[in-house]
Amino acid sequence: GESVGLHLPTLSVQEGDNSIINCAYSNSASDYFIWYKQESGKGPQFIIDIRSNMDKRQGQRVTVLLNKTVKHLSLQIAATQPGDSAVYFCAEKFRAGGTSYGKLTFGQGTILTVHP
Amino acid sequence: NAGVMQNPRHLVRRRGQEARLRCSPMKGHSHVYWYRQLPEEGLKFMVYLQKENIIDESGMPKERFSAEFPKEGPSILRIQQVVRGDSAAYFCASSTTTGVTDTQYFGPGTRLTVL
Repeated sequence: GESVGLHLPTLSVQEGDNSIINCAYSNSASDYFIWYKQESGKGPQFIIDIRSNMDKRQGQRVTVLLNKTVKHLSLQIAATQPGDSAVYFCAEKFRAGGTSYGKLTFGQGTILTVHP
Repeated sequence: NAGVMQNPRHLVRRRGQEARLRCSPMKGHSHVYWYRQLPEEGLKFMVYLQKENIIDESGMPKERFSAEFPKEGPSILRIQQVVRGDSAAYFCASSTTTGVTDTQYFGPGTRLTVL
């Protein structure tokens, strides 16, 4: 079946550096993409989203880039802080068989570790 | 404004017992989703419910698993005759509607351990 996957399972950076987390998706019909942050023992926390008709969206210290040509999604975190250490998941949403957009399909996750 | 609430946070069951996981959506949210997360894996969709209706259960195992979202009270994910392979974290999410950009907000999860 179609899935969302990540190139790098772990990423270690120094505090203050910029981080880039990548995600490859295979469903060209996906309309919407989301990045979630999951800290140990907690549920996923929404970070930023982007619709398929956009190629870039910026938030506070985070930017999501979407390249539909190569089916690639990335999350950029500026001036990474120790509090950013977590697992980051990309997720996609598409309308399957004319039904609603209820289902999110998640990637495997990237562990981000920020060293002080 | 309280977020999505799940209980219990940790649940230990012996093989063959039943597990009941509860989820109270955010205030004003009428759409509930259940996901399962195995160690070091992403979340896998199980079921999507609205009040008193199952909308999409394409991710639910055909046997032993059931879900409901009654008119009153929390959503319940029920696992009968649990096996060790059911050990996982189960997350509930809720949203106001299910438009393409409607955000799903997640609860803290229930960590099920089957002995």
